[in-house]
Amino acid sequence: DTAVSQTPKYLVTQMGNDKSIKCEQNLGHDTMYWYKQDSKKFLKIMFSYNNKELIINETVPNRFSPKSPDKAHLNLHINSLELGDSAVYFCASSPTSTGDTQYFGPGTRLTVL
Amino acid sequence: SQQGEEDPQALSIQEGENATMNCSYKTSINNLQWYRQNSGRGLVHLILIRSNEREKHSGRLRVTLDTSKKSSSLLITASRAADTASYFCATDGGGADGLTFGKGTHLIIQP
Repeated sequence: DTAVSQTPKYLVTQMGNDKSIKCEQNLGHDTMYWYKQDSKKFLKIMFSYNNKELIINETVPNRFSPKSPDKAHLNLHINSLELGDSAVYFCASSPTSTGDTQYFGPGTRLTVL
Repeated sequence: SQQGEEDPQALSIQEGENATMNCSYKTSINNLQWYRQNSGRGLVHLILIRSNEREKHSGRLRVTLDTSKKSSSLLITASRAADTASYFCATDGGGADGLTFGKGTHLIIQP
């Protein structure tokens, strides 16, 4: 059984479009995260949710909005996509919000043309 | 924010040799974790070492932590071709701001 799953795996879209990436975890964890990995493999945290409350909001553009319908899901919605948004986006989860091991999804490769 | 920096950026060794990767960080930590990322895949947790620990083992992995030097090392013994991957250190400051990842070391094991 997949612990942390993301859909889609690949996403190719035009500049200016709006897109969503979905994430689900079946581990019963309280906290979920979104990371962006750029072309140089640098991994930077974007958001985290703990029990449906946003507890981190790094300096990402407000075109990015996380949405959590329940504890097992944290979706990432991106408005008005730009070329610089092209990256691999990873979802992750952990039992709590304080320094636990994180479990990563397989990633979504977003390409903005 | 604290930032892990791995060294070297890339490492190529022969199968069977030992591989050592280093990580430095800037501020105090609660724990430090190492993750592996195979090409095109997500990150997989390898080992966690707490700030009051100095060394930890897991199979062929050995991690050390020197909080006075703000550095950690990951040793993989008897390397295998399947160990080819990127390795990242990540620091936890103890707050609710999650992990901060370094830039990674790309390890290539030559058969």
